[in-house]
Amino acid sequence: GAVVSQHPSRVICKSGTSVKIECRSLDFQATTMFWYRQFPKQSLMLMATSNEGSKATYEQGVEKDKFLINHASLTLSTLTVTSAHPEDSSFYICSARDGVTTEAFFGQGTRLTVV
Amino acid sequence: AQSVSQHNHHVILSEAASLELGCNYSYGGTVNLFWYVQYPGQHLQLLLKYFSGDPLVKGIKGFEAEFIKSKFSFNLRKPSVQWSDTAEYFCAVRNSGGGADGLTFGKGTHLIIQP
Repeated sequence: GAVVSQHPSRVICKSGTSVKIECRSLDFQATTMFWYRQFPKQSLMLMATSNEGSKATYEQGVEKDKFLINHASLTLSTLTVTSAHPEDSSFYICSARDGVTTEAFFGQGTRLTVV
Repeated sequence: AQSVSQHNHHVILSEAASLELGCNYSYGGTVNLFWYVQYPGQHLQLLLKYFSGDPLVKGIKGFEAEFIKSKFSFNLRKPSVQWSDTAEYFCAVRNSGGGADGLTFGKGTHLIIQP
């Protein structure tokens, strides 16, 4: 099946710094990518939807200035957590939607720990 | 707004037992329904999906699910589980309008199969 690569898988950063997470579709073009956040023992919560070449659409309650999303190409989207704080520590998962089949595939997730 | 309820948070079964995981959703329109599995340390994988047509859908690894519109349910079943089915299972729903929307997930069911 289609592969979505998310990098890094784990990152630890200091409070106040920024962290960039990459999401790549390796063998298909993703017209739409989604970013989710998962708290321990909770479900995945949709944070934002990004379409290639346009601004991301954020879900209610998600700060767009804090979680910067860029979808510059059909195979790459990035999520930058700016001025990270300990409460931003979480598991972030991206999903890429195949423009042909409309099926969405998931990356392996990024465990962010802010200390 | 959409919501998904998974009734069983933890399920422990013995090998060869039959499995049924409950999933109910709340949404006023037409939906697409999904079951995903997440094996330990791995990314989410699609088990099966329902878009339209036969409400009984068959997925990979011997899983099936039945969409009952009147009950807003999409329960996952497997007649005989294996130890390798130990994983986290997520039910998800999406607005059926073209796939441009992200998924709304249930909280997940942690399934443990005892040998």
